[in-house]
Amino acid sequence: GNSVTQMEGPVTLSEEAFLTINCTYTATGYPSLFWYVQYPGEGLQLLLKATKADDKGSNKGFEATYRKETTSFHLEKGSVQVSDSAVYFCALTLSSNTGKLIFGQGTTLQVKP
Amino acid sequence: DTAVSQTPKYLVTQMGNDKSIKCEQNLGHDTMYWYKQDSKKFLKIMFSYNNKELIINETVPNRFSPKSPDKAHLNLHINSLELGDSAVYFCASSPMTNTEAFFGQGTRLTVV
Repeated sequence: GNSVTQMEGPVTLSEEAFLTINCTYTATGYPSLFWYVQYPGEGLQLLLKATKADDKGSNKGFEATYRKETTSFHLEKGSVQVSDSAVYFCALTLSSNTGKLIFGQGTTLQVKP
Repeated sequence: DTAVSQTPKYLVTQMGNDKSIKCEQNLGHDTMYWYKQDSKKFLKIMFSYNNKELIINETVPNRFSPKSPDKAHLNLHINSLELGDSAVYFCASSPMTNTEAFFGQGTRLTVV
């Protein structure tokens, strides 16, 4: 079936450290891939997306590249800030599955000053 | 100005009660969803409507009944609430399939 697997959290980093959150997927077909962020007590916000192989999504200093050969969509940021502390979700959707998002389990990021 | 709005934000109720959560989107999207987030933050689709028509029902108990009076609204009614229904429920909308969804702020339901 279709699924998304993220690295286990929590991830704890110092401010200005480099961030990688791993995400791999299994899908029948050609999914679109997304990263969502959930700040404490809030809803989900779209962080970035990529709709086809080799696309790079980017926003607010975060980047992720759609790698079809490794079925991955790892999230990276060069220098994290305390304000980046949140839960990050990798997700996919397929045109064949009526638009529903299939989420990974979420990775909690805590950035310390 | 809020794109996808849900009410209420918090809901505390006793077991056995019936409650509703309302959702409205002003983005002009055709598709709306309900997702459930459990205590471990895991998110799973419950229902999806496209232009007022149910297109996804993911093995959700019959006690949960969505209603879409028009394509801008998708409400969730829950009968005979159980302790296990405690979760955060998110409404979302998207312009079409295979695109990103826009989420509301969530409704934290606590059944006591």
